[in-house]
Amino acid sequence: EAQVTQNPRYLITVTGKKLTVTCSQNMNHEYMSWYRQDPGLGLRQIYYSMNVEVTDKGDVPEGYKVSRKEKRNFPLILESPSPNQTSLYFCASRKGLAGSNEQFFGPGTRLTVL
Amino acid sequence: EDKVVQSPLSLVVHEGDTVTLNCSYEVTNFRSLLWYKQEKKAPTFLFMLTSSGIEKKSGRLSSILDKKELFSILNITATQTGDSAIYLCAVPMYSGGGADGLTFGKGTHLIIQP
Repeated sequence: EAQVTQNPRYLITVTGKKLTVTCSQNMNHEYMSWYRQDPGLGLRQIYYSMNVEVTDKGDVPEGYKVSRKEKRNFPLILESPSPNQTSLYFCASRKGLAGSNEQFFGPGTRLTVL
Repeated sequence: EDKVVQSPLSLVVHEGDTVTLNCSYEVTNFRSLLWYKQEKKAPTFLFMLTSSGIEKKSGRLSSILDKKELFSILNITATQTGDSAIYLCAVPMYSGGGADGLTFGKGTHLIIQP
């Protein structure tokens, strides 16, 4: 089944403890992206990647890192999480670079930083 | 600055009513607009609109784009409780050689009461 998977789905952690949220897609998509969703602010892009070893900042990249060593994986790294990074995170992928292509979203990761 | 504005932010109607959700945009290099439905999980794709005046239809849902006035509407007729969700409008952003990601509106939270 074609899908985008994220792990973990739920995570409660403490300030400053490094964490990684994994994202994997099995559709051979070139483009992958991370979003965070917050009440009243909607979905905002954190980072995106057009292909392996190519990553760029989105609208809200501060406090996050990403890597794209393989086409299928696009992990999101929080080196020193802070409470303002408590949010719902979505990974998404699409085939090719044309923005008119539909993006497929993962199931989401709900992160709480205490 | 690119922006996507949805209205209303919240809407409560009774089952059987017809609703119209609005999305206006100010985006450079506009090429397409996408509608997503988000229930208690990841957004799922509904429509992609690229041409002005051509209605896209799927069952009780339909959508149309007006590129001159820079807006789109999503119509739902004969609403059912299962239509309760957040409806998201998104426009791909472009710079350089490809689409960087999606700019999302804040969404319309639609509640259908039995």
